Amino acid sequence: AQKVTQAQTEISVVEKEDVTLDCVYETRDTTYYLFWYKQPPSGELVFLIRRNSFDEQNEISGRYSWNFQKSTSSFNFTITASQVVDSAVYFCALSHNQGGKLIFGQGTELSVKP
Amino acid sequence: EPEVTQTPSHQVTQMGQEVILRCVPISNHLYFYWYRQILGQKVEFLVSFYNNEISEKSEIFDDQFSVERPDGSNFTLKIRSTKLEDSAMYFCASRAQGGGYTFGSGTRLTVV
Repeated sequence: AQKVTQAQTEISVVEKEDVTLDCVYETRDTTYYLFWYKQPPSGELVFLIRRNSFDEQNEISGRYSWNFQKSTSSFNFTITASQVVDSAVYFCALSHNQGGKLIFGQGTELSVKP
Repeated sequence: EPEVTQTPSHQVTQMGQEVILRCVPISNHLYFYWYRQILGQKVEFLVSFYNNEISEKSEIFDDQFSVERPDGSNFTLKIRSTKLEDSAMYFCASRAQGGGYTFGSGTRLTVV
C-alpha cells in the first residue's frame, strides 16, 4: 500500500527563521514520483516540485530546498529565511507512476509571523 | 501559461439536489482527474479519466458520482443527490502524456 505521512500538523516560526517540513512515504514500487504542493489561504494548489525515485540529488530553488533520502523514505522540504508569504499549508504527495493518482499527506500548516 | 479552469468557484446547493462541477482542462492534455478536499483535511483522489473512460476511481467515487467529457473541451463531475458530507473543495487536474499535473483553482461546494 502507498502512504504519505506528514507528522507535523502545524509549525509556527518567526520571519527569517529556517524551517523544515517532514515527509515520509511508503511504497512497494521501485519507480515512483514525489511531489510538494503549497496551498495558500486562497485555496489553490501550487506545484512546487516533482522528483522521481531514481534521482536522489537534492534540489535548491531560491529559498526552497528538498532532501530526498531513499534509505529513510523521506522527502523533506526546507525553507530558508522564511517570509510571511510562505504561510500556507504544504502537502507532500506520492504517485506510483508519472501520471498515476496522487496520494497526499495530511499537510503541514506553516505560519510565519513577522 | 495555460490554465485549468473550474466553474463555479463556489456553489451552494440543497441536500438531495444534483450538482455539476465544470472544468476546462488544458487543450492538449489527455488525462483528467478529480480530487476532493474536505475542509481542513487532506486532498483525496476521486477519479481519473483517459480516452473517454474512467481509468481509476477511489472508493469515495460511488454510484452518486459520474464524470463526463461531453464536448472535447469540458470535463464535468456530477453528484446526483448531494449529501451534507459532500461539502468540500473539488479540484480538477489535467496532464499531457509524460507531463506533470496542472490543478485548477477549485470549486467550493457547500451542501445545506
